[in-house]
Amino acid sequence: GAGVSQTPSNKVTEKGKYVELRCDPISGHTALYWYRQSLGQGPEFLIYFQGTGAADDSGLPNDRFFAVRPEGSVSTLKIQRTERGDSAVYLCASSLIGTGNTIYFGEGSWLTVV
Amino acid sequence: EDKVVQSPLSLVVHEGDTVTLNCSYEVTNFRSLLWYKQEKKAPTFLFMLTSSGIEKKSGRLSSILDKKELSSILNITATQTGDSAIYLCAVLGGATNKLIFGTGTLLAVQP
Repeated sequence: GAGVSQTPSNKVTEKGKYVELRCDPISGHTALYWYRQSLGQGPEFLIYFQGTGAADDSGLPNDRFFAVRPEGSVSTLKIQRTERGDSAVYLCASSLIGTGNTIYFGEGSWLTVV
Repeated sequence: EDKVVQSPLSLVVHEGDTVTLNCSYEVTNFRSLLWYKQEKKAPTFLFMLTSSGIEKKSGRLSSILDKKELSSILNITATQTGDSAIYLCAVLGGATNKLIFGTGTLLAVQP
């Protein structure tokens, strides 16, 4: 696609529910990143994929958070038993592999847990 | 621990002023430093800097990296109200090519 696409753009869910956030990266981009951004903060790293595998998942805050990228393109971030503290904008980004390649962001998914 | 620090945290200027935003970093295996502008949700790319001392320029914006001082500045000349945004600095590095962000500088340009 022309840019990184994220769905849904907004999601309101009740505490304790399960949510899935989808990211469709730029076509051909093998690197895919998930970040979380709370109000007044810079984006916080969650997980980074190279192809289908997670190269670095050290930013996932706990085992309620999980992400997959089964075919090396679309990725899904899954949050179980949501808590109010999970409310944030979840940003996805993609790039080609390599130091000189720009990382492009999607518009984000705004998650509100009530 | 890898970190990126931006200053000031916020800044209010009048149209036509020149501003300088600062970014310093402590990141292992530094690869590059990126500047983004964030107005709504998606950060939009401004510059990528990999070599020290080489200025990147785009219109009224320019940026330079100092690898000796582990820092970068972003300059905006003749500011306009449309420059109002959060400016994010991020460093690509670490063992796994991770992009680490600072908290950003909130710039408000008043007419």
